[in-house]
Amino acid sequence: GAGVSQSPSNKVTEKGKDVELRCDPISGHTALYWYRQRLGQGLEFLIYFQGNSAPDKSGLPSDRFSAERTGESVSTLTIQRTQQEDSAVYLCASSLEAGRETQYFGPGTRLLVL
Amino acid sequence: AQSVTQLDSHVSVSEGTPVLLRCNYSSSYSPSLFWYVQHPNKGLQLLLKYTSAATLVKGINGFEAEFKKSETSFHLTKPSAHMSDAAEYFCVVRIPSGNTPLVFGKGTRLSVIA
Repeated sequence: GAGVSQSPSNKVTEKGKDVELRCDPISGHTALYWYRQRLGQGLEFLIYFQGNSAPDKSGLPSDRFSAERTGESVSTLTIQRTQQEDSAVYLCASSLEAGRETQYFGPGTRLLVL
Repeated sequence: AQSVTQLDSHVSVSEGTPVLLRCNYSSSYSPSLFWYVQHPNKGLQLLLKYTSAATLVKGINGFEAEFKKSETSFHLTKPSAHMSDAAEYFCVVRIPSGNTPLVFGKGTRLSVIA
């Protein structure tokens, strides 16, 4: 597609449930990033994938968070046993290749944990 | 480690008057610096970026920013505000090696008064 797409756009879940968020990067982009944006805050880096290299998971806040990416395509971010503090907008970005500066962002998934 | 400080959480200007959004950064390396804009319920959009070329960077919609190494600043300016400029603005820093993630400031909300 023309840009980064994410689904669902909104997700409401109950505390304790697992959720899966999906990101489709721009075709041909080898790098993919996940960020979290809490209400009124800047973005926090969660995890990034670069080609077939091991992902950089240094930003994941707990072991309830995990992400996968199939090759250089779709990525899913999974949050297990959701907590209310997980409520945020989860943003995905992609960039063309290592060293390319510009990251292109998707519209985000707004997650609300009740 | 690198970090970004946006000095104002909220700036309010009258339509037609200049805009100044302040940003200071901290980085152990020569950084790449960006400004992103986020309109309500829209994705993040890159306004402009500095990557060690010209210190005065021109972006979209009439915005520009000047990299001042001596002051570790990268303030965003526009000569004349328009109502459509009302949005959240994020100053962002990144080490320009490999494909490291972006580090975001907490954002400045710009209001434009008619």
